[in-house]
Amino acid sequence: DAKTTQPPSMDCAEGRAANLPCNHSTISGNEYVYWYRQIHSQGPQYIIHGLKNNETNEMASLIITEDRKSSTLILPHATLRDTAVYYCIVRVYNYGQNFVFGPGTRLSVLP
Amino acid sequence: SQTIHQWPATLVQPVGSPLSLECTVEGTSNPNLYWYRQAAGRGLQLLFYSVGIGQISSEVPQNLSASRPQDRQFILSSKKLLLSDSGFYLCAWSRGGRNSYEQYFGPGTRLTVT
Repeated sequence: DAKTTQPPSMDCAEGRAANLPCNHSTISGNEYVYWYRQIHSQGPQYIIHGLKNNETNEMASLIITEDRKSSTLILPHATLRDTAVYYCIVRVYNYGQNFVFGPGTRLSVLP
Repeated sequence: SQTIHQWPATLVQPVGSPLSLECTVEGTSNPNLYWYRQAAGRGLQLLFYSVGIGQISSEVPQNLSASRPQDRQFILSSKKLLLSDSGFYLCAWSRGGRNSYEQYFGPGTRLTVT
């Protein structure tokens, strides 16, 4: 799997958009970008994934650059409950492969 | 909707004692099942995965083992725990077959070996 680079921590004001960047410059053409988050002492929660088109669901938006070497997860209106560690992962779909969780970005939403 | 259960939520065990953690999934059939471990402040490490009853693949050699006695049941075991087995154990599932992308995680079991 390609490796990803994320900032170790970020702050965001409550109610504002949180934009979490991820670099994946060695991504292969058949690798997807996934985002998960982990709130303290809980299991990781799936957020969104995409291949090359921008994606949006009820939780977030995923913006992938045209060259696919980076992406941004957008939480449009961050709340205190969005405080968590956010993981950006790239992988080829294969049921035998695990999700390689790096250190992620610790997002702190401030009141 | 699908749900995944793990128990117990927390466990404190002495070194050398046995271990059995259980994971069950509801609301789906023939899922792929996974066991991960997360050490304090670290990322997740895949331990085992299963694509069907009795089919277990191990990713990391260790004193742990896994079994899948039923379609939606996944068990993590050890005959003798080590101090290094302490950690946060997570079970996950994904839809079976090649058209599944995301894994969904359970609430986890926090194991402390003393």
